[in-house]
Amino acid sequence: QIQLVQSGIEVKNPGASVKVSCKASGYHFTENGISWLRQAPGQGLECLGWINPHNGRTKYAEKFQGRVTMTTDTSTTTAYMELRSLRFDDTAMYYCVKEWAGRFDPWGQGTLVTVSA
Amino acid sequence: QPALTQPASVSGSPGQSITISCTGSTSDVGGNNYVSWYQQHPDKAPKLLIYDVSNRPSGVSDRFSGSKSANTASLTISGLQPEDEADYYCTSYRTSSISWVFGAGTKLTVL
Repeated sequence: QIQLVQSGIEVKNPGASVKVSCKASGYHFTENGISWLRQAPGQGLECLGWINPHNGRTKYAEKFQGRVTMTTDTSTTTAYMELRSLRFDDTAMYYCVKEWAGRFDPWGQGTLVTVSA
Repeated sequence: QPALTQPASVSGSPGQSITISCTGSTSDVGGNNYVSWYQQHPDKAPKLLIYDVSNRPSGVSDRFSGSKSANTASLTISGLQPEDEADYYCTSYRTSSISWVFGAGTKLTVL
């Protein structure tokens, strides 16, 4: 079945960077986009951006422009999201999700990123 | 401020029906049919319930249905069951920013 498996919990200091991985299986990796979203504790969903694994084209949310980089490795069917210059309010659960025509499905299990001094 | 407006909470008794609204603008909900709904149980990843306004993926109960009128989309859950207690999020494509926008979520309590 289609599955997205993310890397584990991260604890970072303010100003550091974090790179989260998302291993996809069960479908043709290059035929669907991968979106990255996050959810701060007790809050709603926020989209960081999207990448097309076929050609590497990205679209980042304006809020994260300059701080986020999304990449893919088609040889390992893995997507990556790097967020730099971490702040306390970047503490959140980060999700990768397969996206096609607005259907965000399925979702990875989530990666908790905690920014703490 | 979330781009789409949802009620913070709704509640209903087992067997009843409830409707959750999702209000946007002509740039998103009212301007295309890329509206989808997601269910999220505590400490779980969201799950796709409805896509393209009113379509259900295979495996999703027909107790869940979606609709849209002008700039407001709606999710209706009929025959409420205790396991329906969860958070529900809507999303839509916003043509002006070429991005997906979300609602803040609605907490459903089954009394």
